[in-house]
Amino acid sequence: ETGVTQSPTHLIKTRGQQVTLRCSSQSGHNTVSWYQQALGQGPQFIFQYYREEENGRGNFPPRFSGLQFPNYSSELNVNALELDDSALYLCASSGPSGANTGELFFGEGSRLTVL
Amino acid sequence: AQSVSQHNHHVILSEAASLELGCNYSYGGTVNLFWYVQYPGQHLQLLLKYFSGDPLVKGIKGFEAEFIKSKFSFNLRKPSVQWSDTAEYFCAVNGWSSASKIIFGSGTRLSIRP
Repeated sequence: ETGVTQSPTHLIKTRGQQVTLRCSSQSGHNTVSWYQQALGQGPQFIFQYYREEENGRGNFPPRFSGLQFPNYSSELNVNALELDDSALYLCASSGPSGANTGELFFGEGSRLTVL
Repeated sequence: AQSVSQHNHHVILSEAASLELGCNYSYGGTVNLFWYVQYPGQHLQLLLKYFSGDPLVKGIKGFEAEFIKSKFSFNLRKPSVQWSDTAEYFCAVNGWSSASKIIFGSGTRLSIRP
């Protein structure tokens, strides 16, 4: 058990809709990263938040956005959903040093299906 | 471009067999290297990591990996696998200059026959 919790665990949306996924990081961790894992693929880095600021972004369009709150919980928002957005979205926390050593603590993910 | 390649998509072994999973990376500069594991129905978790120093690193559950800089490789090994090692294994890398971005390989599914 990592202490990283994500909600919802499963959800179904239709093309064009918007979705918000939530993540509570492990106690004491101030850095949150979001990953997209398509079926049969490894996790793809979306972005990272450190102390409420975006601290690195992967090759995802601007319709993927995020927030980090003072308690270090985080949200991932995806606008104008496309079929290819169907995937498992993973949240991972790390810290507390602020220097990312790469040791990530993952939640169980939110599985998004876009119809 | 930065990337991680895992050579085997699916590996099937019998219990007590030796395991080696291949991982090669393409990344400019100094790197940190990782192996993560996902057991059935569980979350991704760190198996072992290399930051610097001895290129042979040991992780949990008897796993080890060797960093060979000249080959850009970080292969995972275990001398004798158990049925409980059935899982998906992901190699990952990040660079000291871009520490926030960890790149994962596509994963290797390991199935152990009892």
